[in-house]
Amino acid sequence: EPEVTQTPSHQVTQMGQEVILRCVPISNHLYFYWYRQILGQKVEFLVSFYNNEISEKSEIFDDQFSVERPDGSNFTLKIRSTKLEDSAMYFCASSSSGLTTDTQYFGPGTRLTVL
Amino acid sequence: TQLLEQSPQFLSIQEGENLTVYCNSSSVFSSLQWYRQEPGEGPVLLVTVVTGGEVKKLKRLTFQFGDARKDSSLHITAAQPGDTGLYLCTRRGSARQLTFGSGTQLTVLP
Repeated sequence: EPEVTQTPSHQVTQMGQEVILRCVPISNHLYFYWYRQILGQKVEFLVSFYNNEISEKSEIFDDQFSVERPDGSNFTLKIRSTKLEDSAMYFCASSSSGLTTDTQYFGPGTRLTVL
Repeated sequence: TQLLEQSPQFLSIQEGENLTVYCNSSSVFSSLQWYRQEPGEGPVLLVTVVTGGEVKKLKRLTFQFGDARKDSSLHITAAQPGDTGLYLCTRRGSARQLTFGSGTQLTVLP
């Protein structure tokens, strides 16, 4: 069964450093998303992406965040200058369409630890 | 902000028992999804409900959507240790983004 994959599974970085989290969505999907989950808290929406542009972003997704689909398969989330509070699980998701009943399939996540 | 409230927050039961968990909102859902998340993994979709009063069954899991489309319940019959996990309800936003509830952490003891 097709699945969303994410790399790395765990990333440790120093505060102020740049990190790039990578995702390979399901191959025929058109909509892509990033969510994050701080330990012990809710899963929170960061950004949605369609047709090579951002569709929607949350208040969390400020200027230090950016997303890119550099080729036909990868979808990346870049954090330019990490802060301690960026430590969280970051989940990528994809869906085939924008229908209300469409399923978003989630990857296993990348655990980001900022020291 | 359209909050989703889930209850109970934690639930620990013995294998074979039945249980119900709830998801409530002050506003109407266009659609509601239930996901299950296990430690170290991403959420996995269980079901999507759209129509008020809708009931869907997935083996031992029964999902009900309230008539007013503001609440939903998940009932598990004869729970098994494999049912252990975090059960999350979500709503879709206008840009397809999901808003998650805080979840019910279910532990089924053998």
